[in-house]
Amino acid sequence: AQSVTQLGSHVSVSEGALVLLRCNYSSSVPPYLFWYVQYPNQGLQLLLKYTSAATLVKGINGFEAEFKKSETSFHLTKPSAHMSDAAEYFCAVSERAGGTSYGKLTFGQGTILTVHP
Amino acid sequence: ETGVTQSPTHLIKTRGQQVTLRCSSQSGHNTVSWYQQALGQGPQFIFQYYREEENGRGNFPPRFSGLQFPNYSSELNVNALELDDSALYLCASSPGTYNEQFFGPGTRLTVL
Repeated sequence: AQSVTQLGSHVSVSEGALVLLRCNYSSSVPPYLFWYVQYPNQGLQLLLKYTSAATLVKGINGFEAEFKKSETSFHLTKPSAHMSDAAEYFCAVSERAGGTSYGKLTFGQGTILTVHP
Repeated sequence: ETGVTQSPTHLIKTRGQQVTLRCSSQSGHNTVSWYQQALGQGPQFIFQYYREEENGRGNFPPRFSGLQFPNYSSELNVNALELDDSALYLCASSPGTYNEQFFGPGTRLTVL
């Protein structure tokens, strides 16, 4: 079974400050890991994904995440927050091919990021 | 390249009614997954269709059903609507069952 825990339902930062959104996962098989962003009244947009290549993954809009197997973590970071980063962020896990979960995504509860001027 | 589209955008129904939501997958994608996102929650997997067959199902009752058509578009049907069915319903398509999923904008369903 898969599960995702996002620590902190709300994170508030100042513009220009470091963004750190935490994600821990559990999976019975080696996982694929994703971060999605959702703006109000919109669907989900993929920020980045880990699929077993480099453990440090770079995504769009300056975001990156590091896969740490020993910590079962996949935290999302951005060195300098911008006002346009304000949104809700979801971490998700899926099994690799050959697993039994049909590649379904299991999402965390989400973290709302607020950016102050 | 056209992305994933969903219709309608918003829908209001009353308890006990039935609803059909539609999704057009991205060109070249043969897999469609449906998710329910309740207010303040992460999306929950409903089911997945691969080449017109249901390929996996989450913890949802049988009154949630679906179809996938030869062009890989899909429908989600919900019978006997309950108040708790009020949510954003997201469709995602992918070029295979274990590939990256691309999401549509969602359909907001309100059950009164």
